Amino acid sequence: QKEVEQDPGPLSVPEGAIVSLNCTYSNSAFQYFMWYRQYSRKGPELLMYTYSSGNKEDGRFTAQVDKSSKYISLFIRDSQPSDSATYLCAMSSTSGTYKYIFGTGTRLKVLA
Amino acid sequence: DAMVIQNPRYQVTQFGKPVTLSCSQTLNHNVMYWYQQKSSQAPKLLFHYYDKDFNNEADTPDNFQSRRPNTSFCFLDIRSPGLGDAAMYLCATSRRDRRQDTQYFGPGTRLTVL
Repeated sequence: QKEVEQDPGPLSVPEGAIVSLNCTYSNSAFQYFMWYRQYSRKGPELLMYTYSSGNKEDGRFTAQVDKSSKYISLFIRDSQPSDSATYLCAMSSTSGTYKYIFGTGTRLKVLA
Repeated sequence: DAMVIQNPRYQVTQFGKPVTLSCSQTLNHNVMYWYQQKSSQAPKLLFHYYDKDFNNEADTPDNFQSRRPNTSFCFLDIRSPGLGDAAMYLCATSRRDRRQDTQYFGPGTRLTVL
């Protein structure tokens, strides 16, 4: 079993839809949770960063962490064609390694 | 703006011809990472530096080496590139002290091996 599982998609939605992207994980030591957006042939761009549990909102984006279920989500409201990209979740623990474990990414297409 | 810079953005090399990719950062982060990313795959960690301490992943081929001469710069050397090494190479940084900050990526270098 991978430490981080993410549905690769592709996920196609109409413009204006609410998008829900999810990752599950197995390591209960993870405390830092990130979502990155990656356009084709570009480097990942940090979207959201959450420490421990709870919700965080930034504009049209909301990140949720449920540590009891080992489940994180990214919601995109009023999705736009410019949101079409691959979304990667990543997480890290407080123990010594300084490494980030990535999901495989979900490819999202928002149709105009 | 503070950032992670990678040069070159595109690199073409011949099979077996050594290549060096560079990364610099203005964030003053103490940890620097090199990842390899192939199409439709997650970034794969090759190695990372915590300050000057080098940490190699167990499955990183010996063909890949790295240098970090100072806090700001880090280099990836591919000694004898094979066709399978064609990929996007991503440099990233983070700050780790009492807490671990998030990780910031550069734009990547796309390596083509002919």
